[in-house]
Amino acid sequence: QQQVKQSPQSLIVQKGGISIINCAYENTAFDYFPWYQQFPGKGPALLIAIRPDVSEKKEGRFTISFNKSAKQFSLHIMDSQPGDSATYFCAATSNYQLIWGAGTKLIIKP
Amino acid sequence: GAGVSQSPRYKVAKRGQDVALRCDPISGHVSLFWYQQALGQGPEFLTYFQNEAQLDKSGLPSDRFFAERPEGSVSTLKIQRTQQEDSAVYLCASSASGFGYTFGSGTRLTVV
Repeated sequence: QQQVKQSPQSLIVQKGGISIINCAYENTAFDYFPWYQQFPGKGPALLIAIRPDVSEKKEGRFTISFNKSAKQFSLHIMDSQPGDSATYFCAATSNYQLIWGAGTKLIIKP
Repeated sequence: GAGVSQSPRYKVAKRGQDVALRCDPISGHVSLFWYQQALGQGPEFLTYFQNEAQLDKSGLPSDRFFAERPEGSVSTLKIQRTQQEDSAVYLCASSASGFGYTFGSGTRLTVV
């Protein structure tokens, strides 16, 4: 019940396309859902986060869509750029302890 | 510095050796976390400090793992008698409050 399932494991998108990464959770006590971006050799960096009282949050080219009834949330990257190539992690928590998905390696082809 | 600093960046240890990994959080950040990240996986929680108090150590995999933050700033994660399964990246994160964690670049530990 503590798991966060993330898909796909890897994703290749053409420059300018939309990248979509999905996550699902079981624990209905989770109340904070962040997405992290990690480049090789670096620690994860917070990209965008959402709470379950809203269905969508947009920051620049990054959008989180949240479906509370389905216990699913997704990250959309619009106009994907080669610089977006990285590993993306979804996470969830109800306190201080983040529960992470397994990650999606995103490659944006020029 | 402005970020979370971890040292060393890389550590190679012979099986059975003790290692100590250091984390310098952002100045003034009350909360400090250690996570373990295996290759190709998401980070897994190890332990949490609020100032000098270790409030949760439930994620430490065995009694060979020990963490401290004696003055509420710098933290050290110590692993005794290292085993091959300890090979991973150890990430430290700090937060002023809430969920605004800032992660360091990690220490990559390889046990040979």
